[in-house]
Amino acid sequence: QVQLQESGPGLVKPSQTLSLTCTVSGDSIRRGSHYWSWIRQPAGKGLEWIGRLSLTEGTTYNLSLKSRVTISLDTSENQFSLNLVSVTAADTALYYCARGRDGFSVFDFWGQGALVTVSS
Amino acid sequence: DIQMTQSPSTLSASVGDRVTITCRASQTVTHSLAWYQQKPGKAPNVMISRVSNLESGVSSRFSASGYGTEFTLTISSLQPDDSAIYYCQQYHLYPITFGQGTRLEI
Repeated sequence: QVQLQESGPGLVKPSQTLSLTCTVSGDSIRRGSHYWSWIRQPAGKGLEWIGRLSLTEGTTYNLSLKSRVTISLDTSENQFSLNLVSVTAADTALYYCARGRDGFSVFDFWGQGALVTVSS
Repeated sequence: DIQMTQSPSTLSASVGDRVTITCRASQTVTHSLAWYQQKPGKAPNVMISRVSNLESGVSSRFSASGYGTEFTLTISSLQPDDSAIYYCQQYHLYPITFGQGTRLEI
């Protein structure tokens, strides 16, 4: 069974960098056929796709986050990471990592979510 | 960006009822449309992909249809466990976008 698990600090100060890691088990990122995405959800609100990474196609980001986002891959650890710089309170949310199945962004496996609060 | 608009925002129904949720796209997404169910404290769970393909393990009480810009999700013989927020999602163009959600109360 494929499982994803987010990890990282739960509290980040304004203007600093939010960093999260997603550890994948039950599937190999190196297999290359899936997309690996980050999605966030502010409390009580809807879902916002942040970006995705593909071993074969590289990265694609939501331009609403402008140039603040970087998603990177660590195939040796079967992990992928999210870095979001210059955070503000508006970046406070539950951050999910998810697998986009077979080259499509249909998210068939999700992590449980990591709550990140931006506050001084 | 493609805007996805769901209606209604909230839906109250009774056990055994049949309900329909509508999702409209601001431009065509062809058949690249998925539906998710989210329960409190849980990650969304994909129910339907490619407009009408039920995911493995999803009850046949769920059905969906549409193409282009207008889509529907229908749940028949409502059960208490169907209480959740339902989201549509387009994956035709980046950025991937979701509807704002429909809260279904049983």
